[in-house]
Amino acid sequence: AQSVTQLGSHVSVSEGALVLLRCNYSSSVPPYLFWYVQYPNQGLQLLLKYTTGATLVKGINGFEAEFKKSETSFHLTKPSAHMSDAAEYFCAVSPTGNQFYFGTGTSLTVIP
Amino acid sequence: KAGVTQTPRYLIKTRGQQVTLSCSPISGHRSVSWYQQTPGQGLQFLFEYFSETQRNKGNFPGRFSGRQFSNSRSEMNVSTLELGDSALYLCASRSHQGLEETQYFGPGTRLLVL
Repeated sequence: AQSVTQLGSHVSVSEGALVLLRCNYSSSVPPYLFWYVQYPNQGLQLLLKYTTGATLVKGINGFEAEFKKSETSFHLTKPSAHMSDAAEYFCAVSPTGNQFYFGTGTSLTVIP
Repeated sequence: KAGVTQTPRYLIKTRGQQVTLSCSPISGHRSVSWYQQTPGQGLQFLFEYFSETQRNKGNFPGRFSGRQFSNSRSEMNVSTLELGDSALYLCASRSHQGLEETQYFGPGTRLLVL
């Protein structure tokens, strides 16, 4: 069975500080992993994805994530938070690319 | 290219009624997926249609159904509405199935069941 756990439903950081959003997964097969962002009253937008190859994945808006198989983790980071980063972030896993399992989301607040 | 559009954006229904939601994918996209988003459960996969055929289905009761038309537009129907069906329903399209194809999400339809 596939599942995704996002630790911390709410995270607050100061503007300019490191952003770290945590994601752990369980999967019966080698997973493919995704991070999405959702701004208010909008749909989800893909930030980055890991399918195969390099375990450090760079995405849009300065975000990156590292796939750590031994820790079953795919944490999202950004070195310096910007006010525009305030949004809801979702981690997702897909065993086949045809069905996606999402975490419950982490709401990021950026404090000026 | 226009993005994924969903209609209506907001809907209020009462228990026992049925509702139909519509999704128009990005032009040229043949795959449409539906998700239910609630604060406690996050996003849960409902089903995916590709070329008018349901290819994948999530763990939802039979009250939730869908279909896809030849122009790739999709509709989702929920019959005998329950209070717990109140949620944001998101539609996502992609050109084909498979990992290399990014899903593009619409803004959602917010359904409130009273």
